[in-house]
Formats: sequence, C-alpha cells, structure tokens
Amino acid sequence: NAGVTQTPKFQVLKTGQSMTLQCAQDMNHNSMYWYRQDPGMGLRLIYYSASEGTTDKGEVPNGYNVSRLNKREFSLRLESAAPSQTSVYFCASSEGGRTGELFFGEGSRLTVL
Amino acid sequence: GENVEQHPSTLSVQEGDSAVIKCTYSDSASNYFPWYKQELGKRPQLIIDIRSNVGEKKDQRIAVTLNKTAKHFSLHITETQPEDSAVYFCAATLSSGGYQKVTFGTGTKLQVIP
Repeated sequence: NAGVTQTPKFQVLKTGQSMTLQCAQDMNHNSMYWYRQDPGMGLRLIYYSASEGTTDKGEVPNGYNVSRLNKREFSLRLESAAPSQTSVYFCASSEGGRTGELFFGEGSRLTVL
Repeated sequence: GENVEQHPSTLSVQEGDSAVIKCTYSDSASNYFPWYKQELGKRPQLIIDIRSNVGEKKDQRIAVTLNKTAKHFSLHITETQPEDSAVYFCAATLSSGGYQKVTFGTGTKLQVIP
C-alpha cells in the first residue's frame, strides 16, 4: 500500500517549457487535489477533482491544467512554465463524504529558470 | 470564500514547555478542523482534528480546542520534545456534496530547543 505517489520528485525547467506532474493513489479515494507550497503562504489549492470525471478550479489555477485520468490518477500540466511557478507541488487524496483527512504525496520540487 | 489566519508564524520554546498555535476562520459553515505537521522536506501529515460539534479533543500531549462562536481554534502541545520541531498547519474544511473544500493557514514553524 503505497498511498499517494507523485512523480517526478525534482524538475528544472526553462521558461516556456511544458511538463506534467503525475499523481496516483491506491486507497480507492474519490477526491484528489493539487496544492502548491510557497514559503510563508501555506498550501494553496490549484485544482481538485471531487470524483472521477470531474475537475474544478481552486484558489490559484492560472497557468495549470489537470486531467483525472481514472479514479487512481490525477495529473497536473504546466503548458508554458513561468518563474512564478517555481514551487513545491503536493498531490493529495481523500475519501470524500464526512471523512476529511487529506493524504499527501511526497511532493515535487519544481524550479523554473 | 474561507479565510484562515494562523499565528504565530514562528515559535521557539524550551524542551518541556508548552506551545500554543492559534487560528481563526471566516466561514461559519466550516465544520471540520484538522491540524497537519510537516517535518523538514517531508509531506504534511494529520496529527489531530476536531469537528464542529466538539469543543475539545485530546491525544496524549496534543490537544485542540474549538470556539465556534468566536470562529477560532487552537493547538496545544504540552511537554514539548525536540521531535515536535516542524511546521504546523491548521485548516478549515467545508464539506459539500462529498467534496471537502480545505483552506489552510500559512503555517507555524515550531522550534523546540533542547
């Protein structure tokens, strides 16, 4: 039982390049999330998927797209990376319903030069 | 939308002392309040949570209190140990239609000095 797995762990991009962060969970959770973490700003929600087949914008969606490929997988794409997207990205999942605990992946550190 | 404020941003205590972190929220419909601990370079992990129908919850050295009227909740760590050093995040959660809308505070870096 690996929990939430995200790849890659580290990535360096040049401005304008694109990349996809992959996330998979093996807990049969309904809801999945992408957060970014920046110093002094906590965890900010980029996009979420309440259930398979649905996605919606969070607090800071500009410059990102997501795909809920199936119940297990939720990917985050940067189409044209900008230095402002330098951050640590966390994928998370939760059962949904009244149970609110978020289970996080290990994080992906992205640097955009 | 929900707004969560967390104080202090940094906190240093001597080993064995108590630490208190406070959070306020704005949306009275929020009904679940988790606390996450993030050690350096690691993922955030839930350490304790409280629901809106409960005023206080305790788990060994950690306790959380909730005042719904004032819209604030606090984390209390007693007899602090060096391994308590980490960043702590509070969050307010609104459950709606099977989805939890989670808003995090900006974090408190706790340093326990041996």
